[in-house]
Amino acid sequence: KAGVTQTPRYLIKTRGQQVTLSCSPISGHRSVSWYQQTPGQGLQFLFEYFSETQRNKGNFPGRFSGRQFSNSRSEMNVSTLELGDSALYLCASSGGSYNSPLHFGNGTRLTVT
Amino acid sequence: QQQVKQSPQSLIVQKGGISIINCAYENTAFDYFPWYQQFPGKGPALLIAIRPDVSEKKEGRFTISFNKSAKQFSLHIMDSQPGDSATYFCAASSVNTGFQKLVFGTGTRLLVSP
Repeated sequence: KAGVTQTPRYLIKTRGQQVTLSCSPISGHRSVSWYQQTPGQGLQFLFEYFSETQRNKGNFPGRFSGRQFSNSRSEMNVSTLELGDSALYLCASSGGSYNSPLHFGNGTRLTVT
Repeated sequence: QQQVKQSPQSLIVQKGGISIINCAYENTAFDYFPWYQQFPGKGPALLIAIRPDVSEKKEGRFTISFNKSAKQFSLHIMDSQPGDSATYFCAASSVNTGFQKLVFGTGTRLLVSP
């Protein structure tokens, strides 16, 4: 079974721009979660989508948004980029029931200059 | 109350030794405690997980010990190998928010010397 695929792997953007990251979950998984990983704050939950609906949300500003398509693929968008948004963005998929474990992709490394 | 505190920050263990990483939490609503292993350039991978109804769970060389009254849990890696050198994260979540919404510890960088 193919794992979670995230594209692109690396991205360099300028402050004020916007960016879209993509995630393809494991086949059959209906839940997609997004996490931000930074050296200072560690791994922090952004949001989770299940069957195209946002089911959970973390404590991030509204500049961070996401969506999920009918094939369970998900995108995350960050608008008006700030230097502090530089991070590794990780996508994880799961079966979707409350006790389904997360399977992470290898992330998208975003650098904001 | 949402924090999970992890220690130590880094750990050096000789090959064949036991690696021990500890985590503590405050939120008594947490009822799912996974451990993740992350290698450089890769995403975290689930190692082992425990629910509060058991005090210990073992999978191969990896064991989770859970102390509900102390609100602490730990990962033991027996017969540590150089290939175990990675960063380890404990995490917690609750059935109320779903196991997808994990609160992570700050990570422990483990180095197993040959």
